[in-house]
Amino acid sequence: DVKVTQSSRYLVKRTGEKVFLECVQDMDHENMFWYRQDPGLGLRLIYFSYDVKMKEKGDIPEGYSVSREKKERFSLILESASTNQTSMYLCASSPPGLSSYNEQFFGPGTRLTVL
Amino acid sequence: GENVEQHPSTLSVQEGDSAVIKCTYSDSASNYFPWYKQELGKGPQLIIDIRSNVGEKKDQRIAVTLNKTAKHFSLHITETQPEDSAVYFCAASAGYNFNKFYFGSGTKLNVKP
Repeated sequence: DVKVTQSSRYLVKRTGEKVFLECVQDMDHENMFWYRQDPGLGLRLIYFSYDVKMKEKGDIPEGYSVSREKKERFSLILESASTNQTSMYLCASSPPGLSSYNEQFFGPGTRLTVL
Repeated sequence: GENVEQHPSTLSVQEGDSAVIKCTYSDSASNYFPWYKQELGKGPQLIIDIRSNVGEKKDQRIAVTLNKTAKHFSLHITETQPEDSAVYFCAASAGYNFNKFYFGSGTKLNVKP
C-alpha cells in the first residue's frame, strides 16, 4: 500500500514565524504535490514537483516555497506565516507518467492555525 | 486555467436511496476526470475515474458519466449506506499537463440510517 505521511496532524504557529510542513512517501513516486483545503474552495494546488530539486508553481504559490532534496520527501515552507494561511494542508504523490493519468495518493493532512 | 464547479455542496439522503453529484468544467482539453472520497480525519482517496473516450463507467454501486459536449460529469451512488457519508471531490486534469488536477469545491454527503 502507498503510504504518504505528514509530519504533524495539528500545528499552531504565530504570525511571522517560519513554518515547515514535511511530507514523506514510501512508494518511490516521482511526482509530489502540496494542496491547501478550505471550506467551499476544495483543494487548491500550491506547488508540485516532478523530480528531485525540480518544482513548479501551482495556482496559489504566493507566500509559500518548497524543497525537494530527496525523492521521498517534499517540504512546504511558509517563510513568514500569516493568519490567512490558516488552513488544512494536504500532500500527495503519484507515479511518473507524462503521457498518462495517474492516481494521486494523499496524506492525512496537517491542520495549521496561525495566530 | 481550468474551472471546475461542483453541486450540491451538501446532500442528505436516506439509507438505500441514490445520490448524484454533478460537476462542470471549462477546459475542453481536459481528458481525465477522477472522483475522490474524503472521510473524516483522512486524506482524499480515489474511488473512480473516467477518461474522455468513455461515456460511462461503473464499479459496483458507484458510476460516473461524462458528457464532453456539455462539459459535465456526474457521480452516481446507488443503494447508499451510512459508510458512504463523506466529502466527495470531483477533479479534471489540466489539458496540457496530465499530472495536474483541478478540484471542485466538494460535496458533503450524509446518509441517514
